[in-house]
Amino acid sequence: EAGVTQFPSHSVIEKGQTVTLRCDPISGHDNLYWYRRVMGKEIKFLLHFVKESKQDESGMPNNRFLAERTGGTYSTLKVQPAELEDSGVYFCASSPLQAPLMEQFFGPGTRLTVL
Amino acid sequence: DQQVKQNSPSLSVQEGRISILNCDYTNSMFDYFLWYKKYPAEGPTFLISISSIKDKNEDGRFTVFLNKSAKHLSLHIVPSQPGDSAVYFCAASPTQGGSEKLVFGKGTKLTVNP
Repeated sequence: EAGVTQFPSHSVIEKGQTVTLRCDPISGHDNLYWYRRVMGKEIKFLLHFVKESKQDESGMPNNRFLAERTGGTYSTLKVQPAELEDSGVYFCASSPLQAPLMEQFFGPGTRLTVL
Repeated sequence: DQQVKQNSPSLSVQEGRISILNCDYTNSMFDYFLWYKKYPAEGPTFLISISSIKDKNEDGRFTVFLNKSAKHLSLHIVPSQPGDSAVYFCAASPTQGGSEKLVFGKGTKLTVNP
């Protein structure tokens, strides 16, 4: 069974540019989460989709970040315009609607560097 | 303010010995706790979890202990193996109110020496 995949694995952009990150969850997982880890700090929640609906977007830093999950399958996270403090590793995770152990399955992450 | 704290950034143990990783939390709304292991350039991998109605959960070499009154949990690895060397993240979730987001600590880097 394929795990959570994320694309690209790395992205280096200049301040002011736009970047779009993509996440493909495990097939059949209705829950999809985005998290971010800034260097040396904790992994922080950004938002949670249930199918195509945003269940919780309380962790989104500001309106430069836009997440979508059209059709309830893959999700994109767009940063526009990117700022220096957006640098970090962006993780996507997925889980079935009723995860008995509450575990979320994480992808390998996208390392974003804003210069 | 950090709601989940892992006060030891690193821990080094000898192969075969016990590794004990600690985690403290402040939010009494947390009722599910998880440990994740992370290797470099990979995403976190789920290890073990515990519900707040329990005080211990065991899975092979891994045991998690929960002390709700102290708002403290720990992960015990016995015996420790070199392949256990990784960063371990403690995470908590408030399952009430429909929120399933995980709140993570900063992680503890475990090194198991052969």
